[in-house]
Amino acid sequence: QVQLQESGPGLVKPSETLSLTCTVSGGSISSYYWSWIRQPPGKGLEWIGYIYNSGSTNYNPSLKSRVTISVDTSKNQFSLKLSSVTAADTAVYYCERDVGARGMDVWGQGTTVTVSS
Amino acid sequence: DIQMTQSPSSLSASVGDRVTITCRASQSISTYLNWYQQKPGKAPKLLIYAASSLQSGVPSRFSGSGSGTDFTLTISSLQPEDFATYYCQQSYSTPRTFGQGTRLEIK
Repeated sequence: QVQLQESGPGLVKPSETLSLTCTVSGGSISSYYWSWIRQPPGKGLEWIGYIYNSGSTNYNPSLKSRVTISVDTSKNQFSLKLSSVTAADTAVYYCERDVGARGMDVWGQGTTVTVSS
Repeated sequence: DIQMTQSPSSLSASVGDRVTITCRASQSISTYLNWYQQKPGKAPKLLIYAASSLQSGVPSRFSGSGSGTDFTLTISSLQPEDFATYYCQQSYSTPRTFGQGTRLEIK
């Protein structure tokens, strides 16, 4: 079955850019919406945005000015870049598959990103 | 943005109890409502999609209902593995939004 795995640095300095990659295995990335969600320590879930295989994107307005999600279909990967990070961006970051009305049915295990100098 | 409000925020119950969690949307979302279970240190797991459809592999003691703005998640007979945090989420529009979570604890 489809599995997702996040990768990237666990520590990012303030004002720098957070970069994460999600590798999709067991299935093709060439359909569905592929999303990023984050969860600050002890808090709830925040949707960051998604990308469709065509490259079309949709971002949370609260983060839109700092977010870029891209896809590499040849590697079956999609990526997140979040610029100008602050301590408020410290969170567990999850990648997941969004199947619309059928919910978010496959999730990565999550990766913790800490913003600190 | 569509605001999702869950109640209660926390709940204590015993094994075997019937439990209901409520989720209210700030506008009508038809049946574009999903429920997730999250255990500490783990990713959320999809339980119910489209308000009342049981995700494959999820035990039948979980059920969902509702449409429009008001929805419920019911666990018919709590099992020890059900103690976790539950989130509702709307897939009617973007940005996707979640409820604040309901923490289900052992009494």
